[in-house]
Amino acid sequence: GAGVSQSPRYKVAKRGQDVALRCDPISGHVSLFWYQQALGQGPEFLTYFQNEAQLDKSGLPSDRFFAERPEGSVSTLKIQRTQQEDSAVYLCASSWKQGPSYEQYFGPGTRLTVT
Amino acid sequence: AQSVAQPEDQVNVAEGNPLTVKCTYSVSGNPYLFWYVQYPNRGLQFLLKYITGDNLVKGSYGFEAEFNKSQTSFHLKKPSALVSDSALYFCAVRDDSNYQLIWGAGTKLIIKP
Repeated sequence: GAGVSQSPRYKVAKRGQDVALRCDPISGHVSLFWYQQALGQGPEFLTYFQNEAQLDKSGLPSDRFFAERPEGSVSTLKIQRTQQEDSAVYLCASSWKQGPSYEQYFGPGTRLTVT
Repeated sequence: AQSVAQPEDQVNVAEGNPLTVKCTYSVSGNPYLFWYVQYPNRGLQFLLKYITGDNLVKGSYGFEAEFNKSQTSFHLKKPSALVSDSALYFCAVRDDSNYQLIWGAGTKLIIKP
């Protein structure tokens, strides 16, 4: 079956521009996560949704970052007024249920470069 | 606080030899442990997990991992390495009270023919 998809795969933005990153989770998956991954590092948690409810946004680095999942499926991560330090790979993951024992399935990521 | 340590930045193994990638963790509750692999320009792929029960967990591509509660370790192993196993490997942990996955920094595995 189809896995998690993300678009665009690559995004170059000029400093100060707004960007929107899309995630299509596996159909039927309840939980959705966004992570930020710097080169050669492990992912860093950004935010978590259970269906359409954003239950944790404690990892969002600033109020320029905003995420939504209005219908409980597709999610969008928006970054306003991008800065160079926002350059990273943004990973989306989904799992079919809430709970610590359920593994997460990851998309290929969106590589954001801010110039 | 939860944490994961992968003490080796890089592990080099000859093809056909056994491999081990180390991981130690710290959680306050019951640990749920995961291994993922990342190939260049690709997303993270789930390999295996430990939830409860048997300490030896088998996963994809011939990998297995051994949970050791007293040493708080969850090392990844494979009896005979393949060149195609060369990739970046991440260990991650969460506990009962937290759905956030805490990740190690990753270990680059290089298998030489």
